[in-house]
Amino acid sequence: NAGVTQTPKFQVLKTGQSMTLQCAQDMNHNSMYWYRQDPGMGLRLIYYSASEGTTDKGEVPNGYNVSRLNKREFSLRLESAAPSQTSVYFCASSEALRGFGGQGWNGELFFGEGSRLTVL
Amino acid sequence: TQLLEQSPQFLSIQEGENLTVYCNSSSVFSSLQWYRQEPGEGPVLLVTVVTGGEVKKLKRLTFQFGDARKDSSLHITAAQPGDTGLYLCAGFTGANSKLTFGKGITLSVRP
Repeated sequence: NAGVTQTPKFQVLKTGQSMTLQCAQDMNHNSMYWYRQDPGMGLRLIYYSASEGTTDKGEVPNGYNVSRLNKREFSLRLESAAPSQTSVYFCASSEALRGFGGQGWNGELFFGEGSRLTVL
Repeated sequence: TQLLEQSPQFLSIQEGENLTVYCNSSSVFSSLQWYRQEPGEGPVLLVTVVTGGEVKKLKRLTFQFGDARKDSSLHITAAQPGDTGLYLCAGFTGANSKLTFGKGITLSVRP
């Protein structure tokens, strides 16, 4: 029961360094997401991919890039890390985010365990 | 911008007590979810409510969606240390297929 797997779990970077967070899901979900979680700020959406081959910006996309490599994998890249990007990053997946028949979405976001990133 | 305000932000209670926490917005949502997050892990879905006025029970947890679909409450009966965690509400807007999270409520249940 792997679900959503993120790597690495912990990473320390120096300002200006680059890195990629990897995410893979084994539930055949169409949609994948990257969130960051900071104390007192809740979960904020960075980027999402509604389906394979598409990506869109979320609330806080600046300083990040993403790649939907295939249906299973969605990576998040920091090209030049800044201390403000110190955070816990969560990858999630779900069935397509849309309502049916005028009702709300009755799906579920499945989250990975998180990647704790510190930028010095 | 659709905001979900959760209250209280922090809550520390004794085992066996009852509690109610809230998720409020000025916006209407098509559906609303509650997730629980334990330290070092990702959030896990507890419930989805889709109809105004709907009440759902999950063992000792009771969730209610407001009649106007702008707010929700979570009531826990006889809280246990295992209920400790961060409770997040998330509202879905059908018009733009957007899921918005609140900032969460940190609950600590002392033995």
